Amino acid sequence: NAGVTQTPKFQVLKTGQSMTLQCAQDMNHEYMSWYRQDPGMGLRLIHYSVGAGITDQGEVPNGYNVSRSTTEDFPLRLLSAAPSQTSVYFCASSYSITGVNYEQYFGPGTRLTVT
Amino acid sequence: GQQLNQSPQSMFIQEGEDVSMNCTSSSIFNTWLWYKQDPGEGPVLLIALYKAGELTSNGRLTAQFGITRKDSFLNISASIPSDVGIYFCAGKNTGNQFYFGTGTSLTVIP
Repeated sequence: NAGVTQTPKFQVLKTGQSMTLQCAQDMNHEYMSWYRQDPGMGLRLIHYSVGAGITDQGEVPNGYNVSRSTTEDFPLRLLSAAPSQTSVYFCASSYSITGVNYEQYFGPGTRLTVT
Repeated sequence: GQQLNQSPQSMFIQEGEDVSMNCTSSSIFNTWLWYKQDPGEGPVLLIALYKAGELTSNGRLTAQFGITRKDSFLNISASIPSDVGIYFCAGKNTGNQFYFGTGTSLTVIP
């Protein structure tokens, strides 16, 4: 199993550009999520999905879109990049039983800089 | 959003010493997780706890789910240089969202 994979590993964008961060998992996990990590702030939830076709907002969703067309993939789209979106982005997945999700496993992260 | 209070913020210890850190919340949780993050990497799950009072070990690591369900503790025994990193706690109640602490940075001096 590759676990949770993320691409790209590094990205530099100019203000106003758009891009998609890719996330895939091969563990057949129902629950997937996106976090951003900023110094001194811990991990903050952006969006999450409890299954294909179902997404919901987390703590800091503004400026980001997600969709979940398959169980394996959960891309994160930045619509119009801003310097405040400079951060490290982590995707995570977990299995769930009767709607309750358990341990989350993280990808290696995407380091994004917006100039 | 909810933040967990994790302490200490940083620790500098001698190799071979034991380490203790904790995480507290203003809300009750039914799941506590502990992660370790190395520089430039994603967090790696160390221990998962699902029951108040539960004590779980993973090698030299031991974590406990506090009886009040508002706190959790992580102990590392006989620290070694590869224990260096940032340790995060995460908690969850009946919803789908995990809340993370701000991390404890551990430095082990050989």
